[in-house]
Amino acid sequence: AQRVTQPEKLLSVFKGAPVELKCNYSYSGSPELFWYVQYSRQRLQLLLRHISRESIKGFTADLNKGETSFHLKKPFAQEEDSAMYYCALGPGTYKYIFGTGTRLKVLA
Amino acid sequence: DTGVSQDPRHKITKRGQNVTFRCDPISEHNRLYWYRQTLGQGPEFLTYFQNEAQLEKSRLLSDRFSAERPKGSFSTLEIQRTEQGDSAMYLCASSSRSGQGYTGELFFGEGSRLTVL
Repeated sequence: AQRVTQPEKLLSVFKGAPVELKCNYSYSGSPELFWYVQYSRQRLQLLLRHISRESIKGFTADLNKGETSFHLKKPFAQEEDSAMYYCALGPGTYKYIFGTGTRLKVLA
Repeated sequence: DTGVSQDPRHKITKRGQNVTFRCDPISEHNRLYWYRQTLGQGPEFLTYFQNEAQLEKSRLLSDRFSAERPKGSFSTLEIQRTEQGDSAMYLCASSSRSGQGYTGELFFGEGSRLTVL
């Protein structure tokens, strides 16, 4: 069965500290993985996709098929990074599966 | 085009009433999704349309839920005989066709929040 696990509901870090948001997935095929972000009072939006291997707003994520992980990392957190972050797997048989999300709080 | 739009943004209803939500996707997108999100949870898949065809429905979608996408444009999600457990944010998302230009990105609307009293 397809499943996405985000073990942390809340992650608090100080400004300038490194950030790692964890995501593990379960999928028998070749996965497509995404990170979505929701800033306060805004709609859910794509942050990055594993296939593009790009860095967005300083964030990167590497797909590790051996560990079935797709952790999101940023070397130096900024206050504007505070948001809800969702890891998503898809589309598989059309649908995208989302994790329960991690709230990132960057403290001044 | 201002992106995916949903209407109404908020709906308060009494238990047992019917409600309908509308979603207007980005015009060139042929794929449309409905998700439900409750407090502390991520978006849960409800149903998927490719053009006007409803290709997948979640087991979460009971017989009281029905979705349509006539002519492959806007979509409606109707909930009949609402229950308090239906209180949630209902999200619509669209994406472009596969092949050239395919990114897999979902574009979300702002959601329709349902409160059942």
